[in-house]
Amino acid sequence: NAGVMQNPRHLVRRRGQEARLRCSPMKGHSHVYWYRQLPEEGLKFMVYLQKENIIDESGMPKERFSAEFPKEGPSILRIQQVVRGDSAAYFCASSPQQGQGATEQYFGPGTRLTVT
Amino acid sequence: GENVEQHPSTLSVQEGDSAVIKCTYSDSASNYFPWYKQELGKRPQLIIDIRSNVGEKKDQRIAVTLNKTAKHFSLHITETQPEDSAVYFCAADASGYSTLTFGKGTMLLVSP
Repeated sequence: NAGVMQNPRHLVRRRGQEARLRCSPMKGHSHVYWYRQLPEEGLKFMVYLQKENIIDESGMPKERFSAEFPKEGPSILRIQQVVRGDSAAYFCASSPQQGQGATEQYFGPGTRLTVT
Repeated sequence: GENVEQHPSTLSVQEGDSAVIKCTYSDSASNYFPWYKQELGKRPQLIIDIRSNVGEKKDQRIAVTLNKTAKHFSLHITETQPEDSAVYFCAADASGYSTLTFGKGTMLLVSP
């Protein structure tokens, strides 16, 4: 059973370009979470998605950032017109169908975005 | 929203000693508290978690305790080994659907 997959692992973009980060959850998992980790800091929640639905995007900047999890294919985190402050590691995590309360999340290897 | 404080930020111990990392949270609605271990350049790995209806949980050399009244929880590692060296993060979920708020991490260094 493959774990959470993310690609690319490293992404370099110039200021003003677009960054697209992909996440394939673990097999059987239908919930995806995106987190951002700045150097030497903890992870900050950005957005929580189920297939074709954004459930909670309270941690995502209102401008330039968007996320989707289509019926088919990976979840995508899109950053438009990147700025140097967007340089960070972006992790996605997945969890199985929610029952009563929170369930374990398993993280992907992350995408390290560098904006030059 | 939820706020999680974690201490200490760095912790150095000798191999075989115990290590304790402490976290406090602000939202009394939080009911799920996982701990993650992250080695340099790697993904966070879930090592243990506890829910609010339990006061303590053990898994071999690792244990977690939760005090809901005081709103704090702790990670205990006994008989530390050099391979335990990593950054450890605590987290709390007040949402009920796993949107985690993380502490800033503790860098644990175990010297042989």
